[in-house]
Amino acid sequence: AQRVTQPEKLLSVFKGAPVELKCNYSYSGSPELFWYVQYSRQRLQLLLRHISRESIKGFTADLNKGETSFHLKKPFAQEEDSAMYYCALSVNTDKLIFGTGTRLQVFP
Amino acid sequence: ETGVTQTPRHLVMGMTNKKSLKCEQHLGHNAMYWYKQSAKKPLELMFVYNFKEQTENNSVPSRFSPECPNSSHLFLHLHTLQPEDSALYLCASSQEGAGGPDGELFFGEGSRLTVL
Repeated sequence: AQRVTQPEKLLSVFKGAPVELKCNYSYSGSPELFWYVQYSRQRLQLLLRHISRESIKGFTADLNKGETSFHLKKPFAQEEDSAMYYCALSVNTDKLIFGTGTRLQVFP
Repeated sequence: ETGVTQTPRHLVMGMTNKKSLKCEQHLGHNAMYWYKQSAKKPLELMFVYNFKEQTENNSVPSRFSPECPNSSHLFLHLHTLQPEDSALYLCASSQEGAGGPDGELFFGEGSRLTVL
């Protein structure tokens, strides 16, 4: 079965500290993975996609097929990074399966 | 209005009521989606429409009835709901199927439904 697991409901760090939000997936096909973010009082939006190998707002995520993981990392957290982060797995060509989300709190 | 717009933003209804949620996208996208977001549960995909045709019904109870009259509008008709159906219902759209590498979903702000 297809599944996305985000084991941490809440991650709290101080400004300037490194951040790693964990995501593991279960999928028998070739995975397409995404990170979505929801800032306070804003709508859910795409942060980054693994196929692009891009860095957005200092965040990166590497697909590790051996560990079936797609962890989101940032070397130095900022207060404006505080938000809900959702890992998502695409299945076939027309649906995304989301994890339960991790709330990141960055303290000053 | 630009992007994805959902109305109403908040809805309170009794179990015997009939109501509808509306979603409109101004992005020229071909695919539209309904997701359910409950507390402590992942976003649950309910329905997918591609070019107005329903391509996914994720085992949703028949008390939820979707309607997609054209590529820009999507409705979710509600009747005889249960209290456990209380949740945030999110609409989204995409240019292509969400599985493609460029298949980004654009979400609305959601309709908060409370069933008494």
